[in-house]
Amino acid sequence: GNSVTQMEGPVTLSEEAFLTINCTYTATGYPSLFWYVQYPGEGLQLLLKATKADDKGSNKGFEATYRKETTSFHLEKGSVQVSDSAVYFCALINFGNEKLTFGTGTRLTIIP
Amino acid sequence: DAGVIQSPRHEVTEMGQEVTLRCKPISGHNSLFWYRQTMMRGLELLIYFNNNVPIDDSGMPEDRFSAKMPNASFSTLKIQPSEPRDSAVYFCASSLRLGLNYNEQFFGPGTRLTVL
Repeated sequence: GNSVTQMEGPVTLSEEAFLTINCTYTATGYPSLFWYVQYPGEGLQLLLKATKADDKGSNKGFEATYRKETTSFHLEKGSVQVSDSAVYFCALINFGNEKLTFGTGTRLTIIP
Repeated sequence: DAGVIQSPRHEVTEMGQEVTLRCKPISGHNSLFWYRQTMMRGLELLIYFNNNVPIDDSGMPEDRFSAKMPNASFSTLKIQPSEPRDSAVYFCASSLRLGLNYNEQFFGPGTRLTVL
């Protein structure tokens, strides 16, 4: 079956630091990969996605590249801001399916 | 559009009571998902509907849980009787399914349920 393994949190960084949150996956076939973000007191929002190998998803300064050879989809941002403090979820879905498989989430806190 | 609407936002009840959570999906969306989020188990899909029909309820914990979608604009998740271990945040999400390609799921703000 499908599974997503995320970097354990919590992660605390200073403002303007470089961010990496690791994500690896196990899936049959060729899944699409996603990063969702959950701000305090809110539901999840799609941050970025990639649908095939070597695709790079990007949004709000965040990037992640679909690496089929290492089954990874690591989230990166060059300079984080306090407003990036949230919980980040890596997820995947198989083509033709509607069921997302989520990782456990990584709580990120940015301090000024 | 107002987005996915859930009510109530917070619910505190006593063990043994019936709890009903409500969801209004985004207008025009044809798939609806119920998730549960806890610290221990993370985010779990309980059930999802397509065109008001339950497609997969394998995540529903037990018979105490039931979900309905009587029409395209309303769904309920009911717990009867409730237990303290049901305490969690319950999210509803909706999407527009067209063919086999994935379409983004839009999440509601969630209902925080506390069972005493």
